[in-house]
Amino acid sequence: KQEVTQIPAALSVPEGENLVLNCSFTDSAIYNLQWFRQDPGKGLTSLLLIQSSQREQTSGRLNASLDKSSGRSTLYIAASQPGDSATYLCAVEKDGNTGNQFYFGTGTSLTVIP
Amino acid sequence: DAGVTQSPTHLIKTRGQQVTLRCSPKSGHDTVSWYQQALGQGPQFIFQYYEEEERQRGNFPDRFSGHQFPNYSSELNVNALLLGDSALYLCASSRDGLNPGANVLTFGAGSRLTVL
Repeated sequence: KQEVTQIPAALSVPEGENLVLNCSFTDSAIYNLQWFRQDPGKGLTSLLLIQSSQREQTSGRLNASLDKSSGRSTLYIAASQPGDSATYLCAVEKDGNTGNQFYFGTGTSLTVIP
Repeated sequence: DAGVTQSPTHLIKTRGQQVTLRCSPKSGHDTVSWYQQALGQGPQFIFQYYEEEERQRGNFPDRFSGHQFPNYSSELNVNALLLGDSALYLCASSRDGLNPGANVLTFGAGSRLTVL
């Protein structure tokens, strides 16, 4: 069974700081890893998708890396802003019996202080 | 282009009742997955529907059932509600047939269920 862990569970940083969120997974046989953002009481917004053959993806101030062999991914946020405050979730896509399944971590709650 | 829409947004039920939640997938998507997200937890996979059939199922009891219609929309039904069923229920859509690993999930805003 795939287990996905995210640390830290919560993080508070001053505006402008660079930060790193961590995600680890137990089974390296994955198709991809996605990072999502969730605002309180809302659905999830996909931020970045890294396919298993890739090492990293970038979108604006966000950079995500993937090391499949060690079962780790990091999400780097540069020059953090108060609007970045949200919960960040990682999810891995893995082959199921008749289709693919996504396994989520419990998230990192980020607060960026103005 | 409408994304994934879910209804209702909030609802309150009592123990033992039944509930139906609805989801319309993003245009061009044909696969719908349902997730349960308890407070402070990550989403847990309930099941996935494709071509009007349940294709994958997570570790949820038979009280949780679903349906997919020819227009790809989907329903989640929960019978004999328990207090522990209180959660945010998320619907996600995707398009089947993409290369494995390119499957970007699009989520709806969720239905918040409170069981009293």
